[in-house]
Amino acid sequence: RKEVEQDPGPFNVPEGATVAFNCTYSNSASQSFFWYRQDCRKEPKLLMSVYSSGNEDGRFTAQLNRASQYISLLIRDSKLSDSATYLCVVNPGEAGRRALTFGSGTRLQVQP
Amino acid sequence: DTAVSQTPKYLVTQMGNDKSIKCEQNLGHDTMYWYKQDSKKFLKIMFSYNNKELIINETVPNRFSPKSPDKAHLNLHINSLELGDSAVYFCASSQARGTTNEKLFFGSGTQLSVL
Repeated sequence: RKEVEQDPGPFNVPEGATVAFNCTYSNSASQSFFWYRQDCRKEPKLLMSVYSSGNEDGRFTAQLNRASQYISLLIRDSKLSDSATYLCVVNPGEAGRRALTFGSGTRLQVQP
Repeated sequence: DTAVSQTPKYLVTQMGNDKSIKCEQNLGHDTMYWYKQDSKKFLKIMFSYNNKELIINETVPNRFSPKSPDKAHLNLHINSLELGDSAVYFCASSQARGTTNEKLFFGSGTQLSVL
């Protein structure tokens, strides 16, 4: 089983739609969680951290469910510019002996 | 002003050759990484250095040898290149390694194509 699993998509949605992605992780000791965004042929960039109580940044809402070991990202009012691959990232803990672990990403295509 | 810069951006070479990729960061971070992204877009850690000391070495063939002359630089040398080495290699740096606040800053990637 992969350490971080995501539905690869693609999710094809019209502009203005609300879309949600889920991600599951296998290591219950994982410390912290993030969503990164990767545009085609570009490097990944941090989108937002995911906090236990859930957090929002504009149109983006992240949720964490430690009991079920999943993380979600909700995007409201989708824009064309949101088209990208969204990478779920987990800090496995272990005091820095392991690096941040990436899921394989969920591709989003927002259509006009 | 580029925070994490790596060169070259593209590298096309023949099987069996030896090549190097260079990476530099001007963020003052202590930790640097090499990640490999394969054709399925899966981003996998290869190596990590903290203040020039190797701290993470995943299951990577011995043909791959990282070198960190100082904490701002982490280079990757690959011997005897194989077809399966074709991928995008990303350098990254971070502060606050091992804490819940650790965040990665990536270079723009090196597309390696082995023919």
